[in-house]
Amino acid sequence: RKEVEQDPGPFNVPEGATVAFNCTYSNSASQSFFWYRQDCRKEPKLLMSVYSSGNEDGRFTAQLNRASQYISLLIRDSKLSDSATYLCVVPARGGATNKLIFGTGTLLAVQP
Amino acid sequence: DTAVSQTPKYLVTQMGNDKSIKCEQNLGHDTMYWYKQDSKKFLKIMFSYNNKELIINETVPNRFSPKSPDKAHLNLHINSLELGDSAVYFCASSQVALYGQYFGPGTRLTVT
Repeated sequence: RKEVEQDPGPFNVPEGATVAFNCTYSNSASQSFFWYRQDCRKEPKLLMSVYSSGNEDGRFTAQLNRASQYISLLIRDSKLSDSATYLCVVPARGGATNKLIFGTGTLLAVQP
Repeated sequence: DTAVSQTPKYLVTQMGNDKSIKCEQNLGHDTMYWYKQDSKKFLKIMFSYNNKELIINETVPNRFSPKSPDKAHLNLHINSLELGDSAVYFCASSQVALYGQYFGPGTRLTVT
């Protein structure tokens, strides 16, 4: 299994829709996970950190399923401004590593 | 107030030249990183420093040499530039390793 894997999309959804992305990871010892968003030709920006079962921030909810080794990101009431690439980030395999691995991203396009 | 800044933003240079990219963070973070994002948008870590000490050194050609004069600065020097070095280079910082990272705006390097 790859260290982190995401559906590349694109996910094309209408404004107001609810959309969810999944991300699978292979390091069963991982304790911290992150979702980033990256707009075209911009830097990745930290969206949410997930340290336990999940996290919620406004319209965004991240959930962690340790048994199945995946994290999900749910976006409710999608806005045009949510259009971006969403990157799943997990710690690398290996006991002594301090490295985070970035997924290849899921592209979201919110349509008017 | 820019949290993580990089200079220059754009760098166009010829093969064989030597160039440097500078990075500064004013967040008081202990850990800083260099990432490379290629044309396929895959974000890959190159180096990481914690309190001026190198903690991650991926399989990067030794033409790339990072330098951290203090914990707020991490510079990247590249010798003998090659066409394949063309990419966007992002600097990032985090409070400590494996915490959420904050990225600079990126340096778009084009080698001709």
